[in-house]
Amino acid sequence: AQKVTQAQTEISVVEKEDVTLDCVYETRDTTYYLFWYKQPPSGELVFLIRRNSFDEQNEISGRYSWNFQKSTSSFNFTITASQVVDSAVYFCALARGSTLGRLYFGRGTQLTVWP
Amino acid sequence: DTAVSQTPKYLVTQMGNDKSIKCEQNLGHDTMYWYKQDSKKFLKIMFSYNNKELIINETVPNRFSPKSPDKAHLNLHINSLELGDSAVYFCASSRRRGTQETQYFGPGTRLLVL
Repeated sequence: AQKVTQAQTEISVVEKEDVTLDCVYETRDTTYYLFWYKQPPSGELVFLIRRNSFDEQNEISGRYSWNFQKSTSSFNFTITASQVVDSAVYFCALARGSTLGRLYFGRGTQLTVWP
Repeated sequence: DTAVSQTPKYLVTQMGNDKSIKCEQNLGHDTMYWYKQDSKKFLKIMFSYNNKELIINETVPNRFSPKSPDKAHLNLHINSLELGDSAVYFCASSRRRGTQETQYFGPGTRLLVL
């Protein structure tokens, strides 16, 4: 069975602090895909990143970075120098290496960045 | 231009009514999805269509019926609405079926059943 765990329900930081959102996944597939989505207070779901199971390279995009470690089944997301606009619910998701495209979501982490 | 759009954005209705939510994507994608987000923000897939063919049908009540008139549209019709149907419904699309394809989501439809 596929499972995504985001153990941190809520995180609060002060602006300019760095923050890491944890994501641990379970799957028996050797091919799978991992995603992060952002849901700001306005409610839409915004795609942030996709990673496949064969690519363990870490990725950096501006203030965002992602650390994928197959050995610990984790795909953590770090925001450097957080800003108030980063306040949102962040979802980690897993898709199996099949052709159906179903996304299995974690329960999300509510990040609040205070000024 | 909005890539994936949904109408209406808000829907308030009485128990027992029938309602529809419309979804359109202008990305040229082949595959579309419906997800439900409950009050605790948990997201779960309901249906998926690929080129108008139903390919995922999760365990949802048969009061929910998706319809895809063409590959750019996927509508969700709900009969005999119940209080527990109150949720946010998201439509999404991807270029083609397959987990290597990123799913892009619409803005959501907030359904409140009174």
